Amino acid sequence: DTAVSQTPKYLVTQMGNDKSIKCEQNLGHDTMYWYKQDSKKFLKIMFSYNNKELIINETVPNRFSPKSPDKAHLNLHINSLELGDSAVYFCASSQGPLGYYGYTFGSGTRLTVV
Amino acid sequence: SQELEQSPQSLIVQEGKNLTINCTSSKTLYGLYWYKQKYGEGLIFLMMLQKGGEEKSHEKITAKLDEKKQQSSLHITASQPSHAGIYLCGAGMDSSYKLIFGSGTRLLVRP
Repeated sequence: DTAVSQTPKYLVTQMGNDKSIKCEQNLGHDTMYWYKQDSKKFLKIMFSYNNKELIINETVPNRFSPKSPDKAHLNLHINSLELGDSAVYFCASSQGPLGYYGYTFGSGTRLTVV
Repeated sequence: SQELEQSPQSLIVQEGKNLTINCTSSKTLYGLYWYKQKYGEGLIFLMMLQKGGEEKSHEKITAKLDEKKQQSSLHITASQPSHAGIYLCGAGMDSSYKLIFGSGTRLLVRP
């Protein structure tokens, strides 16, 4: 059983397209996150939802829109994809702020925009 | 500049050697987390430190948090090829949910 699962694992798409990445956690956590890891492996937080409510919204282009239908799911929709959006996107979850184990991460979605 | 600085950026060691990775902040940290990322995979939780002066060990990996809670070190004893990967420190800068990461240290262990 995968605790935090993301789909798809790989996504190759053309500039200008709209795409979504899905994330689901079966840990019963109340908070979920999206992180972006660039080519230099720097991991930066994008969004966080707590019980379906947006609590963290970093400086991210408004082409990126998170959606949380319930506390076990946090999807990321990206409009009008650009070359600079190419990166690995990680979903994570936690029970409360930070916590003993920090966040549990998914295995990532490698997005390539051509 | 980043809120969490990691050093070195990369490290190549011979199998069996000891090594240390550092993570430094100019602010007091609310919890310091060490993760390992294997190339092309997700992040695996290693250890969490919360109290100043705290030290934890798991197998051959020891992590310490200084008394001021602004610097942490990760020490690997008698390194093995299985230790290879990217080591990331993450920390809370306040009591919120935000976990900030350092830029990572790429470790390669030569057999």
